[in-house]
Amino acid sequence: DAKTTQPTSMDCAEGRAANLPCNHSTISGNEYVYWYRQIHSQGPQYIIHGLKNNETNEMASLIITEDRKSSTLILPHATLRDTAVYYCIVRTQGGSEKLVFGKGTKLTVNP
Amino acid sequence: NAGVTQTPKFRILKIGQSMTLQCTQDMNHNYMYWYRQDPGMGLKLIYYSVGAGITDKGEVPNGYNVSRSTTEDFPLRLELAAPSQTSVYFCASKRRNGDTEAFFGQGTRLTVV
Repeated sequence: DAKTTQPTSMDCAEGRAANLPCNHSTISGNEYVYWYRQIHSQGPQYIIHGLKNNETNEMASLIITEDRKSSTLILPHATLRDTAVYYCIVRTQGGSEKLVFGKGTKLTVNP
Repeated sequence: NAGVTQTPKFRILKIGQSMTLQCTQDMNHNYMYWYRQDPGMGLKLIYYSVGAGITDKGEVPNGYNVSRSTTEDFPLRLELAAPSQTSVYFCASKRRNGDTEAFFGQGTRLTVV
């Protein structure tokens, strides 16, 4: 599975969009981009995933660049409850059974 | 569905003691994982299993053992607890096929003194 690079921390004002970047320049054609988040002391929670098209669900939007070397998770109207560590993971569908997390981005939503 | 259930939620062990962290899931998932998370750090994969009777090492397996005798249960064993094993432990499970997400338990906070 390809490696990912994320900023260590970010801040966002409540009510504004939070845009969390992830670099995965070594991604291969059959690898998906997954996002999870971990709110303090809780187990990680799945947010969204995609292959090449942009994706949206009730929690967030995922924008993947055309060359697939990077992606951005967008929380359209961040709330204080979105303060968490956000992990970007690249995995092959049905490939490696390992699920390895990097260090993630600590997002702080400020009032 | 209860999802992924971990017990106990908290435990204090003395150095050299042993214990088993329990993890059970009721979603009929083939894949199960154990992670540890030290304060302020990310998750490190300890062991994982792709099905009953099959286990494999992750990034940090030393000091731990696992077994997978049923699809539902994936216990993690600490034989000789050490202070370095003070951490929060998370169990997760995932369906085998497809681009599916993993589900996590709420964690076991272990302190070794």
